[in-house]
Amino acid sequence: DSGVTQTPKHLITATGQRVTLRCSPRSGDLSVYWYQQSLDQGLQFLIQYYNGEERAKGNILERFSAQQFPDLHSELNLSSLELGDSALYFCASSVDATGDSRFGSGTRLTVV
Amino acid sequence: AQSVTQLGSHVSVSEGALVLLRCNYSSSVPPYLFWYVQYPNQGLQLLLKYTTGATLVKGINGFEAEFKKSETSFHLTKPSAHMSDAAEYFCAVSKGGSQGNLIFGKGTKLSVKP
Repeated sequence: DSGVTQTPKHLITATGQRVTLRCSPRSGDLSVYWYQQSLDQGLQFLIQYYNGEERAKGNILERFSAQQFPDLHSELNLSSLELGDSALYFCASSVDATGDSRFGSGTRLTVV
Repeated sequence: AQSVTQLGSHVSVSEGALVLLRCNYSSSVPPYLFWYVQYPNQGLQLLLKYTTGATLVKGINGFEAEFKKSETSFHLTKPSAHMSDAAEYFCAVSKGGSQGNLIFGKGTKLSVKP
């Protein structure tokens, strides 16, 4: 058990809709990362937060946004969903910002 | 920009045989290097990491990897494969410092034959 909790585990929604994925980092971890895993793109870094502040941005679409709250949990918001957004979305956390990350079990998003 | 290349999307070995999964990286700064394993329908589990110091790194489940700067490589090995090692393995690099996001290779699926 990595200590990183992601909810929900599965999500099925229609094109054009908006969803929110939630992540609770491992106790004591200040940094949260979001990744997307798809068959064609592989594992891609989306965004990093450290102690409530955005630290780094990767290949995150403008339709996607994230935030980290004072209790350190994070949410990834995906809007105007398209079929191509179907993927596994992972959250990871680390104590500091150096990347020794522990991963959650992911949220599988299916857009129909 | 950093990147990771994993040679071989599929590797098949017999139980008891040597496992060798190849990873080459490019980085403009001294890299932090990682190997993760993903079992079906699960998240990624950290096998081992290299940040600084000893270039031969030992991880969980009998795996180890050696950082070779001159070859820009970080190959993963295990002397004797078990059936339970069948999974997908990802090599990753980060800059370290204040940006710890990981750049992943495309993964290598390891099959273990009885």
